[in-house]
Amino acid sequence: DSGVTQTPKHLITATGQRVTLRCSPRSGDLSVYWYQQSLDQGLQFLIQYYNGEERAKGNILERFSAQQFPDLHSELNLSSLELGDSALYFCASSVAVGEYNEQFFGPGTRLTVL
Amino acid sequence: DQQVKQNSPSLSVQEGRISILNCDYTNSMFDYFLWYKKYPAEGPTFLISISSIKDKNEDGRFTVFLNKSAKHLSLHIVPSQPGDSAVYFCAVPDQTGANNLFFGTGTRLTVIP
Repeated sequence: DSGVTQTPKHLITATGQRVTLRCSPRSGDLSVYWYQQSLDQGLQFLIQYYNGEERAKGNILERFSAQQFPDLHSELNLSSLELGDSALYFCASSVAVGEYNEQFFGPGTRLTVL
Repeated sequence: DQQVKQNSPSLSVQEGRISILNCDYTNSMFDYFLWYKKYPAEGPTFLISISSIKDKNEDGRFTVFLNKSAKHLSLHIVPSQPGDSAVYFCAVPDQTGANNLFFGTGTRLTVIP
């Protein structure tokens, strides 16, 4: 158990809909990362928050947004969903940024868009 | 644009033999390399890392080798065990200091009892 929790585990929805994925980092970790793993793809970095502030952006679509709340949990919002958004979405957390800090991953949310 | 590439999507090895997983990278400025292991229905877990100032790092049955001139790293597992069956990802940290990781596409290792 990494100490990172993600809800829900599975999500099935229709094209055009909007969903919210939730992540609670390990106790004490200030940094949260979101990654997407599509079929046969490696994990693609989407976005990072550190202590409530956006820290880095990767290959995140404009239809996607995220935020980190004062209690450090994070939510990833996916809107106007398309079939191609079906993927595993992982959240990871680490203590800080700067020098490399090991990232701890949650179990992921499997999103299926029908 | 893939920062790290794993060209073998799968590998099967007999129990007790050596498993060698390979990874190539594009940027000679990368200074830290990691391997993560992922079981089905779980998130990736950190396995082993290596700094660019080293060419080898060993942790029990796992050894990572770094060949900077070839921009290549490999993970050796000796002896391989059925519990090692998983997907293995190599990864490098973003050079901007943001600490996010660039992952390869993974190699699925199957250790046959």
